[in-house]
Amino acid sequence: DAGVIQSPRHEVTEMGQEVTLRCKPISGHNSLFWYRQTMMRGLELLIYFNNNVPIDDSGMPEDRFSAKMPNASFSTLKIQPSEPRDSAVYFCASSRSGIRSFHEQYFGPGTRLTVT
Amino acid sequence: AQSVTQPDIHITVSEGASLELRCNYSYGATPYLFWYVQSPGQGLQLLLKYFSGDTLVQGIKGFEAEFKRSQSSFNLRKPSVHWSDAAEYFCAVGTDYKYIFGTGTRLKVLA
Repeated sequence: DAGVIQSPRHEVTEMGQEVTLRCKPISGHNSLFWYRQTMMRGLELLIYFNNNVPIDDSGMPEDRFSAKMPNASFSTLKIQPSEPRDSAVYFCASSRSGIRSFHEQYFGPGTRLTVT
Repeated sequence: AQSVTQPDIHITVSEGASLELRCNYSYGATPYLFWYVQSPGQGLQLLLKYFSGDTLVQGIKGFEAEFKRSQSSFNLRKPSVHWSDAAEYFCAVGTDYKYIFGTGTRLKVLA
């Protein structure tokens, strides 16, 4: 089975530009998570969806960040406008429903974002 | 509030030596506990998990972890480290629908 798929794997953009990161979760998984990883702050949960509905977006840093999940097989994380401090590796993860399965998260390879 | 502490930022061991990575958590009840491994340039892979029951859990790649309630710890162990185990290891705590990762321990393996 295919794992979590993320695209692009690397993104370099200039400050002020819009950036869109994409994620395809594992088929059959009902929960989807977006994380950001930096040296300074470690791994932070930005937002998670359950059955395509955003449940907790308290980790989204500011209004420049938005996430959508239009269907069970696709999600986007958008940054507009981007800033150099947004440079990080962004991970998408998915899991099945159920309190225990929820915590067994399968991670994608990540998107390394560099904003110059 | 729940929290996870991994006291060791870096650990270096020789190939074939035993390994123990420390993880301490803070939570009022027994949380769900996890260890993940991240190889360079890769996403995180689940090594093992603890929900309840036997406090010694076995995972993939020969790893095991022991939950000690009295010490609020969930340390990861491996009896004999291989060079391919060099990676970063993250402990995570889950309660209800909250999930927190530790800051990670980077393992270096000497040949």
